[in-house]
Amino acid sequence: DAKTTQPPSMDCAEGRAANLPCNHSTISGNEYVYWYRQIHSQGPQYIIHGLKNNETNEMASLIITEDRKSSTLILPHATLRDTAVYYCIVRVQTGANNLFFGTGTRLTVIP
Amino acid sequence: NAGVTQTPKFQVLKTGQSMTLQCAQDMNHEYMSWYRQDPGMGLRLIHYSVGAGITDQGEVPNGYNVSRSTTEDFPLRLLSAAPSQTSVYFCASRSWTSGYYEQYFGPGTRLTVT
Repeated sequence: DAKTTQPPSMDCAEGRAANLPCNHSTISGNEYVYWYRQIHSQGPQYIIHGLKNNETNEMASLIITEDRKSSTLILPHATLRDTAVYYCIVRVQTGANNLFFGTGTRLTVIP
Repeated sequence: NAGVTQTPKFQVLKTGQSMTLQCAQDMNHEYMSWYRQDPGMGLRLIHYSVGAGITDQGEVPNGYNVSRSTTEDFPLRLLSAAPSQTSVYFCASRSWTSGYYEQYFGPGTRLTVT
């Protein structure tokens, strides 16, 4: 599995877009980028995933650079309930595919 | 659906005691996993199962045993608890057919070993 690097913490004003970066320079061609988040004292929650195209769902958008060495998770209008630790994970989409979590980015949404 | 349930929510053990952390899911998911979460370490995979009767080791399996006799249940056993096993434990499941990416996590068990 490719290693990922995320900033340990970020702040975002409520109502503004939160942009969370992730570097995965050793990603291989068949590895996907997944994003999860963990709100305090709860289990992790899946957000979004992608291979090379940008993706959007009801929670967030995922922007992957053309060389796939980095990506950005975008929460378009952050709310206080988005305060959480966000994990970027790179993994192939075959086999047992159990995800290996790093330390993530602690996002704090400020009123 | 209840999703993924875990019991107990909190547990205190003395060194050397044994116990079983329970995990159950009602979504008929084939894959189930156990993770532990420690400050500054993120989540680390302990054991996982791709179906009833099949289990395998993850990143940090030492000191833990698992079995999978049914699709629904995936208990985690601590044979002789040690203070290093103080952690928050999460169970997760996912479906083979719905996609490899979407894991559902339980609420966690907070274990303290004294």
